[in-house]
Amino acid sequence: SYVLTQPPSVSVAPGQTARITCGGNNIGRKSVQWYQQKPGQAPVLVVYDDSDRPSGIPERFSGSNSGNTATLTISRVEAGDEADYYCQVWDSRTDHFIFGGGTKLTVL
Amino acid sequence: EVLLVESGGGLVQPGGSLRLSCAASGFTFSSYRMTWVRQAPGKGLEWVASIKQDGSVQYYVDSVKGRFTISRDNAKNSLYLQMNSLRDEDTAVYYCARDKCVGDCYLDYWGQGTLATVSS
Repeated sequence: SYVLTQPPSVSVAPGQTARITCGGNNIGRKSVQWYQQKPGQAPVLVVYDDSDRPSGIPERFSGSNSGNTATLTISRVEAGDEADYYCQVWDSRTDHFIFGGGTKLTVL
Repeated sequence: EVLLVESGGGLVQPGGSLRLSCAASGFTFSSYRMTWVRQAPGKGLEWVASIKQDGSVQYYVDSVKGRFTISRDNAKNSLYLQMNSLRDEDTAVYYCARDKCVGDCYLDYWGQGTLATVSS
């Protein structure tokens, strides 16, 4: 089955840029989504189809996807961005959702 | 406004059963695939089951096949997850979510979740 690999943690100072990666075999050929989950809350979609943002998501959140790595980039990081972030792809052969293991973003 | 509200969680002994419900509002429920995702304490997200718009086809993660049943009632705008033969490892917050499928699928709205605890 298809596996998505994320770093367990990423740390960044306020105002800097955070990059969270999601690795998978030829992931560049798939559509990648990113979800933000703050403590005690439900996940929220922040990027879909590699780089599109739902309405209400700040432009500071952007995504890219190529080769074997997809990346969520958060510019001008704020304390409120501290959360767990999960990548997700769709397995069209089985109609299953596949999630990465999640990355905890810490704002120093 | 899209709203998904789960209910039905609680404490159950191993081998027991629970039925989770998800009440949907703010969109045409019968037009969307729906999904259950769970999260064990301190762990990541795990897809559990999905169901097509008319309820005709269901999909399950291998670990719950034969034990869990996803269903829906489009007249009541409701999604269900019947969980039988529960195990300790089924302890989790269970989220219902709406599928958005344009070629590939993703989950564009999520409920707040309901906690199911399996313990003796």
